[in-house]
Amino acid sequence: GQQVMQIPQYQHVQEGEDFTTYCNSSTTLSNIQWYKQRPGGHPVFLIQLVKSGEVKKQKRLTFQFGEAKKNSSLHITATQTTDVGTYFCAGNTGRRALTFGSGTRLQVQP
Amino acid sequence: KAGVTQTPRYLIKTRGQQVTLSCSPISGHRSVSWYQQTPGQGLQFLFEYFSETQRNKGNFPGRFSGRQFSNSRSEMNVSTLELGDSALYLCASSFSDPQGSGNTIYFGEGSWLTVV
Repeated sequence: GQQVMQIPQYQHVQEGEDFTTYCNSSTTLSNIQWYKQRPGGHPVFLIQLVKSGEVKKQKRLTFQFGEAKKNSSLHITATQTTDVGTYFCAGNTGRRALTFGSGTRLQVQP
Repeated sequence: KAGVTQTPRYLIKTRGQQVTLSCSPISGHRSVSWYQQTPGQGLQFLFEYFSETQRNKGNFPGRFSGRQFSNSRSEMNVSTLELGDSALYLCASSFSDPQGSGNTIYFGEGSWLTVV
């Protein structure tokens, strides 16, 4: 079945450093979504990427969808303590339910 | 517009008991999906309903079941609880057909289940 791998599992950065999490799917995706879950909270939708090679920005966050629509990345520039949480990618093939990656837990040291 | 509402938020059950969790989707949303979240396993898909029909099912034993009502509200049931069922159960709703592309989902705050 479809698998979505996400790395790294955990990253600890100093405030102001950059952060990147990567997502790879075993199958071609129709779209990929990113979610953020704060400690003790529930996943919250961040963005959806649909087109091959698409790049979207939300303030300090940059999202990319690979040319083959099988991988994606989330890059945070100059992390802040408010960025702490777990970031999940979720792949959609258009046939089955979203398949979530295992998530990357980000810890930001002030 | 109210978000996804899950009840109860916290509950403790004993091994062998059964539990029913409830989810009210965002008004107008017809699709409801359920996920189990544990520290070691991440978000595991349980099942998905659209217009009262189960459209997809994850790899969970038959002890896990669900249903959706005509008003789109959904319930999931776990029978013969095991210690390993302790987890956060998340419900998510979306507007469109879950098998369609671009189906953004909105999560509820979850139901924390502890089995002792």
